Amino acid sequence: QSALTQPPSASGSPGQSVTISCTGTSSDVGGYNYVSWYQQHPGKAPKLMIYEVSKRPSGVPDRFSGSKSGNTASLTVSGLQAEDEADYYCDSYAGSNNYVFGTGTKVTVL
Amino acid sequence: QLQLQESGPGLVKPSGTLSLTCSVPGDSINSSRHYWDWIRQPPGKGLEWIGGIYYTGRTFYRPSLKSRVTISVDTSRNQFSLKLTSVTAADTAVYYCASRDIVVVAFDNWGRGTLVTVSS
Repeated sequence: QSALTQPPSASGSPGQSVTISCTGTSSDVGGYNYVSWYQQHPGKAPKLMIYEVSKRPSGVPDRFSGSKSGNTASLTVSGLQAEDEADYYCDSYAGSNNYVFGTGTKVTVL
Repeated sequence: QLQLQESGPGLVKPSGTLSLTCSVPGDSINSSRHYWDWIRQPPGKGLEWIGGIYYTGRTFYRPSLKSRVTISVDTSRNQFSLKLTSVTAADTAVYYCASRDIVVVAFDNWGRGTLVTVSS
């Protein structure tokens, strides 16, 4: 049960878009449409931003969007704002009631 | 939104047992829509799912931790608990309790987290 692979960092200027990838295997990301994304500010608990690959919980801005192709899921943040600077983690169901998180990506707003 | 709250010792000796409790507001622990999970995050590192429990007592554990982990639920006190035995420095982490929505399969509510340090 290895962690899903994410790039360590990503950045963009205010108003720009940034896309974060999350690569797994056919046993997790590729096998189920249960990929979630979480935003974590320093010293805070993670917050659910995307579930079931591309759905947003109530209250999450539509600037956040998710997608999946094969074994790789992606999170795109459009119209970057200063408050979007945070760590982002993906998570996937991995079968048999197991769950695996990604390695995490630090997003910097330049 | 559910406000979950972790509690327990912040310092555990090596080879000892880590014990934490998560308090769930109201009668939510009996929700048929949620599992109740533990997730940890070593300092400066990523998230790791530890395991979870349903209000019926059915449990699910991370395979690599299964031999050391016990998660239990006390519906009368609206709490669920984590016990991790034979701890080492590698178990030092912020431990979060969270609810997992069964339908959308995502962790939708989180506690604030509690740092547990393993040290003599």
